[in-house]
Amino acid sequence: TQLLEQSPQFLSIQEGENLTVYCNSSSVFSSLQWYRQEPGEGPVLLVTVVTGGEVKKLKRLTFQFGDARKDSSLHITAAQPGDTGLYLCAQETSGSRLTFGEGTQLTVNP
Amino acid sequence: DAGITQSPRYKITETGRQVTLMCHQTWSHSYMFWYRQDLGHGLRLIYYSAAADITDKGEVPDGYVVSRSKTENFPLTLESATRSQTSVYFCASRWGPSTDTQYFGPGTRLTVL
Repeated sequence: TQLLEQSPQFLSIQEGENLTVYCNSSSVFSSLQWYRQEPGEGPVLLVTVVTGGEVKKLKRLTFQFGDARKDSSLHITAAQPGDTGLYLCAQETSGSRLTFGEGTQLTVNP
Repeated sequence: DAGITQSPRYKITETGRQVTLMCHQTWSHSYMFWYRQDLGHGLRLIYYSAAADITDKGEVPDGYVVSRSKTENFPLTLESATRSQTSVYFCASRWGPSTDTQYFGPGTRLTVL
């Protein structure tokens, strides 16, 4: 069974700080997705990365896919309270299914 | 409104009762999925469907039944609810391969007493 490990599990920071969260797998990703989930809602896709070494930017969020395609990171610059949420990574497994990590719960305090 | 909807949003039931959670999407997406989300376990796949009349088990299918007679609907039935099935259930859909955007419904919070 492919396992996705996310770290840290919890992160509480002040507004304006930078942060990085990580997603690691025991096997090579064919593709990786990052989602954000706010309380009481379903997850929403932020980005899909496919190519090893790929870097994608979404405003203050920078997503990186490791060269060996076994790890990924999400960096947030100058975090804001609106960034608060559960950040989930997901990888494709057999049958076009997605397997999710347990997530990083981020709290940005004003 | 277009999108993916779930009903009910909240449900309380008793052990042993049958419960059906509904999921409806208006995009004619081929793939539909049911997940449960629990603290310490993240999102776990219960069942999924690649098209109407095609369903397959996910990671935690025991105690659940699904059907997909129409492309837009994917109901999930708990045949005899147990306390361990207390959870938040999310339905999701997408058009094609796993690199496509997967859209999630708002979730159903189910409590089994």
